Amino acid sequence: GDSVTQMEGPVTLSEEAFLTINCTYTATGYPSLFWYVQYPGEGLQLLLKATKADDKGSNKGFEATYRKETTSFHLEKGSVQVSDSAVYFCALSDQGGKLIFGQGTELSVKP
Amino acid sequence: EAGVVQSPRYKIIEKKQPVAFWCNPISGHNTLYWYRQNLGQGPELLIRYENEEAVDDSQLPKDRFSAERLKGVDSTLKIQPAELGDSAVYLCASSLGTVNTGELFFGEGSRLTVL
Repeated sequence: GDSVTQMEGPVTLSEEAFLTINCTYTATGYPSLFWYVQYPGEGLQLLLKATKADDKGSNKGFEATYRKETTSFHLEKGSVQVSDSAVYFCALSDQGGKLIFGQGTELSVKP
Repeated sequence: EAGVVQSPRYKIIEKKQPVAFWCNPISGHNTLYWYRQNLGQGPELLIRYENEEAVDDSQLPKDRFSAERLKGVDSTLKIQPAELGDSAVYLCASSLGTVNTGELFFGEGSRLTVL
Protein backbone atom coordinates (compact mmCIF):
# COMPACT_ATOMS: atom_id res chain seq x y z
CA GLY A 1 0.00 0.00 0.00
CA ASP A 2 0.87 3.66 -0.11
CA SER A 3 3.39 4.85 2.46
CA VAL A 4 5.53 7.79 3.54
CA THR A 5 9.03 7.65 5.01
CA GLN A 6 10.66 10.58 6.80
CA MET A 7 14.13 11.09 8.16
CA GLU A 8 14.37 10.22 11.80
CA GLY A 9 14.66 12.86 14.43
CA PRO A 10 15.21 14.62 16.59
CA VAL A 11 16.90 17.27 14.48
CA THR A 12 18.67 19.95 16.49
CA LEU A 13 19.77 23.18 14.81
CA SER A 14 21.01 26.58 15.85
CA GLU A 15 18.91 29.62 15.03
CA GLU A 16 19.38 30.84 11.41
CA ALA A 17 20.67 27.45 10.24
CA PHE A 18 19.41 25.82 7.04
CA LEU A 19 16.82 23.10 7.47
CA THR A 20 16.13 20.04 5.36
CA ILE A 21 13.77 17.27 6.42
CA ASN A 22 13.72 14.41 3.95
CA CYS A 23 10.51 12.73 2.87
CA THR A 24 9.99 9.99 0.30
CA TYR A 25 6.81 8.23 -0.65
CA THR A 26 5.44 5.12 -2.31
CA ALA A 27 2.11 5.43 -4.03
CA THR A 28 0.00 4.17 -6.89
CA GLY A 29 -1.25 6.93 -9.10
CA TYR A 30 -0.44 10.57 -8.50
CA PRO A 31 -1.07 11.59 -4.91
CA SER A 32 -1.16 15.07 -3.47
CA LEU A 33 1.63 15.69 -0.97
CA PHE A 34 1.49 17.63 2.29
CA TRP A 35 3.56 18.83 5.20
CA TYR A 36 1.76 19.18 8.52
CA VAL A 37 3.27 20.72 11.66
CA GLN A 38 2.46 20.15 15.30
CA TYR A 39 3.65 22.87 17.66
CA PRO A 40 3.93 21.98 21.36
CA GLY A 41 0.50 21.77 22.96
CA GLU A 42 -1.35 22.38 19.70
CA GLY A 43 -3.15 20.32 17.08
CA LEU A 44 -1.73 19.34 13.72
CA GLN A 45 -1.98 22.08 11.13
CA LEU A 46 -1.32 22.19 7.42
CA LEU A 47 1.98 23.87 6.56
CA LEU A 48 2.05 23.47 2.79
CA LYS A 49 0.96 21.18 -0.01
CA ALA A 50 1.59 20.31 -3.67
CA THR A 51 -0.89 18.58 -5.91
CA LYS A 52 1.14 17.57 -8.96
CA ALA A 53 4.68 16.88 -10.11
CA ASP A 54 7.09 19.85 -10.05
CA ASP A 55 4.68 21.92 -7.97
CA LYS A 56 6.32 23.86 -5.13
CA GLY A 57 4.39 24.41 -1.93
CA SER A 58 5.48 27.26 0.31
CA ASN A 59 4.39 28.91 3.55
CA LYS A 60 6.07 30.77 6.43
CA GLY A 61 9.45 30.53 4.70
CA PHE A 62 9.20 26.76 4.28
CA GLU A 63 9.27 25.17 0.83
CA ALA A 64 8.88 21.68 -0.64
CA THR A 65 8.91 20.56 -4.27
CA TYR A 66 6.97 17.53 -5.56
CA ARG A 67 9.60 15.38 -7.32
CA LYS A 68 7.97 12.48 -9.14
CA GLU A 69 11.24 11.12 -10.51
CA THR A 70 12.70 10.66 -7.02
CA THR A 71 9.33 10.22 -5.25
CA SER A 72 10.35 12.88 -2.77
CA PHE A 73 8.91 15.96 -1.07
CA HIS A 74 11.72 17.33 1.09
CA LEU A 75 10.97 20.24 3.42
CA GLU A 76 13.42 23.15 3.45
CA LYS A 77 13.83 26.49 5.17
CA GLY A 78 16.71 28.84 4.69
CA SER A 79 16.91 30.24 8.21
CA VAL A 80 15.12 28.56 11.10
CA GLN A 81 13.90 30.32 14.22
CA VAL A 82 13.33 29.07 17.74
CA SER A 83 9.60 29.34 17.04
CA ASP A 84 9.94 26.67 14.33
CA SER A 85 10.56 24.03 16.98
CA ALA A 86 7.84 21.45 16.42
CA VAL A 87 7.13 18.01 14.99
CA TYR A 88 6.82 17.93 11.20
CA PHE A 89 4.79 15.28 9.38
CA CYS A 90 4.96 14.48 5.69
CA ALA A 91 1.77 13.01 4.23
CA LEU A 92 0.13 11.93 1.01
CA SER A 93 -3.47 11.49 -0.05
CA ASP A 94 -4.20 8.12 -1.56
CA GLN A 95 -6.65 7.37 -4.33
CA GLY A 96 -9.42 6.85 -1.79
CA GLY A 97 -8.95 10.30 -0.33
CA LYS A 98 -7.22 9.06 2.81
CA LEU A 99 -4.34 11.03 4.30
CA ILE A 100 -1.34 8.78 5.04
CA PHE A 101 1.31 10.21 7.36
CA GLY A 102 4.97 9.57 7.91
CA GLN A 103 6.23 8.98 11.44
CA GLY A 104 7.10 12.61 12.08
CA THR A 105 10.41 14.44 12.59
CA GLU A 106 10.98 16.48 15.71
CA LEU A 107 12.85 19.75 15.16
CA SER A 108 14.48 21.62 18.00
CA VAL A 109 15.99 25.05 17.29
CA LYS A 110 18.38 26.49 19.86
CA PRO A 111 19.03 30.23 20.25
CA GLU B 1 -14.00 30.90 14.19
CA ALA B 2 -13.84 28.03 16.66
CA GLY B 3 -11.60 25.13 15.74
CA VAL B 4 -12.19 21.42 16.15
CA VAL B 5 -13.04 20.73 19.78
CA GLN B 6 -12.32 17.42 21.44
CA SER B 7 -12.96 16.10 24.92
CA PRO B 8 -11.69 14.87 27.21
CA ARG B 9 -8.09 15.98 26.68
CA TYR B 10 -6.78 13.24 28.93
CA LYS B 11 -8.25 9.96 30.13
CA ILE B 12 -6.73 7.25 32.29
CA ILE B 13 -8.62 3.99 32.66
CA GLU B 14 -7.96 0.40 33.59
CA LYS B 15 -8.02 -2.29 30.93
CA LYS B 16 -11.42 -3.76 30.12
CA GLN B 17 -13.13 -0.48 31.01
CA PRO B 18 -15.09 1.47 28.38
CA VAL B 19 -14.12 4.95 27.20
CA ALA B 20 -15.67 7.50 24.88
CA PHE B 21 -14.29 10.53 23.06
CA TRP B 22 -16.30 13.39 21.69
CA CYS B 23 -15.59 15.69 18.76
CA ASN B 24 -17.25 18.87 17.59
CA PRO B 25 -16.00 19.78 14.10
CA ILE B 26 -15.74 23.22 12.56
CA SER B 27 -19.17 24.52 11.65
CA GLY B 28 -20.14 23.64 8.10
CA HIS B 29 -17.48 20.96 7.62
CA ASN B 30 -19.18 17.92 6.15
CA THR B 31 -16.24 15.52 6.42
CA LEU B 32 -15.04 14.26 9.80
CA TYR B 33 -12.12 11.98 10.56
CA TRP B 34 -10.92 10.03 13.57
CA TYR B 35 -7.21 9.24 13.66
CA ARG B 36 -5.12 7.34 16.20
CA GLN B 37 -1.56 8.43 16.90
CA ASN B 38 0.75 6.08 18.75
CA LEU B 39 3.78 7.48 20.52
CA GLY B 40 6.49 8.45 18.04
CA GLN B 41 4.32 7.63 15.05
CA GLY B 42 2.20 9.53 12.56
CA PRO B 43 -1.59 9.54 12.79
CA GLU B 44 -3.45 6.59 11.25
CA LEU B 45 -7.01 6.89 10.01
CA LEU B 46 -9.64 4.96 11.91
CA ILE B 47 -12.81 6.21 10.24
CA ARG B 48 -13.99 8.93 7.88
CA TYR B 49 -17.51 10.36 7.70
CA GLU B 50 -19.11 12.33 4.94
CA ASN B 51 -22.09 13.90 6.68
CA GLU B 52 -23.68 11.01 8.64
CA GLU B 53 -22.26 8.24 6.46
CA ALA B 54 -19.11 6.33 7.36
CA VAL B 55 -17.40 6.11 3.97
CA ASP B 56 -14.13 4.55 5.13
CA ASP B 57 -13.99 2.45 8.29
CA SER B 58 -11.65 -0.21 7.01
CA GLN B 59 -9.05 0.50 9.72
CA LEU B 60 -11.50 0.59 12.63
CA PRO B 61 -11.16 -2.48 14.89
CA LYS B 62 -14.86 -3.23 14.91
CA ASP B 63 -14.75 -5.83 17.65
CA ARG B 64 -14.14 -3.15 20.27
CA PHE B 65 -14.34 0.24 18.58
CA SER B 66 -17.48 2.00 17.45
CA ALA B 67 -18.20 5.48 16.20
CA GLU B 68 -21.22 7.53 15.34
CA ARG B 69 -21.97 10.90 13.85
CA LEU B 70 -25.56 11.71 14.48
CA LYS B 71 -27.10 14.50 12.40
CA GLY B 72 -23.82 14.89 10.57
CA VAL B 73 -22.25 17.21 13.14
CA ASP B 74 -20.74 15.96 16.42
CA SER B 75 -19.13 12.56 16.60
CA THR B 76 -18.33 10.05 19.34
CA LEU B 77 -15.67 7.34 19.26
CA LYS B 78 -16.07 4.53 21.78
CA ILE B 79 -13.79 1.73 22.89
CA GLN B 80 -15.27 -1.16 24.83
CA PRO B 81 -13.46 -2.90 26.37
CA ALA B 82 -10.15 -1.03 26.29
CA GLU B 83 -6.88 -2.94 26.02
CA LEU B 84 -3.35 -1.90 26.97
CA GLY B 85 -2.47 -1.43 23.30
CA ASP B 86 -5.18 1.20 22.90
CA SER B 87 -3.06 3.76 24.75
CA ALA B 88 -2.59 6.54 22.19
CA VAL B 89 -3.75 10.01 21.21
CA TYR B 90 -7.09 10.01 19.40
CA LEU B 91 -7.34 12.88 16.95
CA CYS B 92 -10.44 14.29 15.33
CA ALA B 93 -10.25 16.36 12.17
CA SER B 94 -12.75 17.98 9.86
CA SER B 95 -12.76 19.44 6.36
CA LEU B 96 -14.93 20.88 3.64
CA GLY B 97 -14.99 18.13 1.05
CA THR B 98 -12.16 15.59 0.88
CA VAL B 99 -8.47 15.82 1.69
CA ASN B 100 -7.78 16.51 -1.97
CA THR B 101 -10.13 19.48 -2.13
CA GLY B 102 -10.04 20.92 1.36
CA GLU B 103 -7.62 21.37 4.21
CA LEU B 104 -7.97 19.09 7.23
CA PHE B 105 -8.26 20.91 10.55
CA PHE B 106 -7.26 18.88 13.58
CA GLY B 107 -8.29 19.10 17.18
CA GLU B 108 -5.76 18.93 20.01
CA GLY B 109 -6.50 15.27 20.59
CA SER B 110 -7.59 13.05 23.46
CA ARG B 111 -4.74 11.22 25.15
CA LEU B 112 -5.77 7.80 26.44
CA THR B 113 -3.73 5.81 28.93
CA VAL B 114 -4.86 2.25 29.65
CA LEU B 115 -3.39 0.71 32.80
